[in-house]
Amino acid sequence: DIQLTQSPSFLSASVGDRVTITCRASQGISSNLAWYQQKPGKAPNLLIYSASTLQSGVPSRFSGSGSGTEFTLTISSLQPEDFATYYCQQLNSSPITFGQGTRLEIK
Amino acid sequence: EVQLFESGGGLVQTGGSLRLSCAASGFNFGSYGMSWVRQAPGKGLEWVSLISGSGGSTHYADSVKGRFTVSRDNSKNTLYLQMNSLRAEDTAVYYCAKRRVTAPQPFDYWGQGTLVTVSS
Repeated sequence: DIQLTQSPSFLSASVGDRVTITCRASQGISSNLAWYQQKPGKAPNLLIYSASTLQSGVPSRFSGSGSGTEFTLTISSLQPEDFATYYCQQLNSSPITFGQGTRLEIK
Repeated sequence: EVQLFESGGGLVQTGGSLRLSCAASGFNFGSYGMSWVRQAPGKGLEWVSLISGSGGSTHYADSVKGRFTVSRDNSKNTLYLQMNSLRAEDTAVYYCAKRRVTAPQPFDYWGQGTLVTVSS
């Protein structure tokens, strides 16, 4: 199985900050990676797929990059509604796996 | 508008069974792969199973293989998850999700989730 390791697991930041979350895969997954945002009590929401393609309706302050084993999610200027938990997901092979999550909180 | 609505969750004893349903609307259901994802209380996301649009191909996480069965009725626009031999560690909110048609087929729409609690 492909393991995904996100770092950091917890991030404290302020409105307006630029933040980056990293996701590392235990083996190469090409660009078959997605990022999701989840707020408490809600279902996850797709932000980015194919490592860098922005899902329709997602603000352009979100961006993704990477391929192979290392990927990043960047939020260019944090807004109050961005404080949530973020997960990466690999879709390269079964079983599909998620990272453990990165909780982004207000400083 | 795409909508997914899960039902069938509840409290069940260890070793018992439960069938979850996911009613879909707003898209051509039979043309899309679907998946189940669960989240234990206070924990992260765990993929459970997926099924192709026709229902002819299914995959499962090792943690549920042999105990859970995913199926679909395209005439009713409904996805199912039959869960047998339930364990305490199966306690979670279960989400159904629609796969985007283009590779790598991420999960672009999710239901609101249904809570399954397994207790002795």
